[in-house]
Amino acid sequence: DGGITQSPKYLFRKEGQNVTLSCEQNLNHDAMYWYRQDPGQGLRLIYYSQIVNDFQKGDIAEGYSVSREKKESFPLTVTSAQKNPTAFYLCASSIGGTVQETQYFGPGTRLLVL
Amino acid sequence: AQSVTQLDSQVPVFEEAPVELRCNYSSSVSVYLFWYVQYPNQGLQLLLKYLSGSTLVKGINGFEAEFNKSQTSFHLRKPSVHISDTAEYFCAVTHDYKLSFGAGTTVTVRA
Repeated sequence: DGGITQSPKYLFRKEGQNVTLSCEQNLNHDAMYWYRQDPGQGLRLIYYSQIVNDFQKGDIAEGYSVSREKKESFPLTVTSAQKNPTAFYLCASSIGGTVQETQYFGPGTRLLVL
Repeated sequence: AQSVTQLDSQVPVFEEAPVELRCNYSSSVSVYLFWYVQYPNQGLQLLLKYLSGSTLVKGINGFEAEFNKSQTSFHLRKPSVHISDTAEYFCAVTHDYKLSFGAGTTVTVRA
């Protein structure tokens, strides 16, 4: 079955710690996205990538970093600079990255601060 | 800047009753419009989208939406809901290179 996997399902971060959220897709999609979801605020775009070895900042990139070394993988690092990281993080992909395409979402990772 | 307003944050509805979820957007240019559904603790799934053509769009699970350009609205409807339709629904509108999402509407279907 093709799809998007995110791991772990739950992640706990200590003060000053960097944590990395995994996102893998086997849909052969070129574009991948990271969103942050907070209650009552909908989804906000953190980073997106339309091709391997290239990515762009979204609306709320501060305190986050990404890499895109392989087509199927787009990990997100939440750095210690992100002062309010508690949220639900969703990874998505689309075929080519044009704005009218359907985005396919993973099941999400819930990040909590200890 | 693009903004998307979902006019109801919570919509309780009885099983087999109709439901309408309202979405308005602000834009002076042509847009593409989407409705996504999120079941508890899951990712989002596309219900339907409007790109061009007929303003009445049919989606999965019996949902449909109507694009009204003059009122800049894209309301979602279902004539008869099931318990399994309990979920959060997001309206999204294209803005430059990305989607802007509304804050979401939680639909709770009661027997």
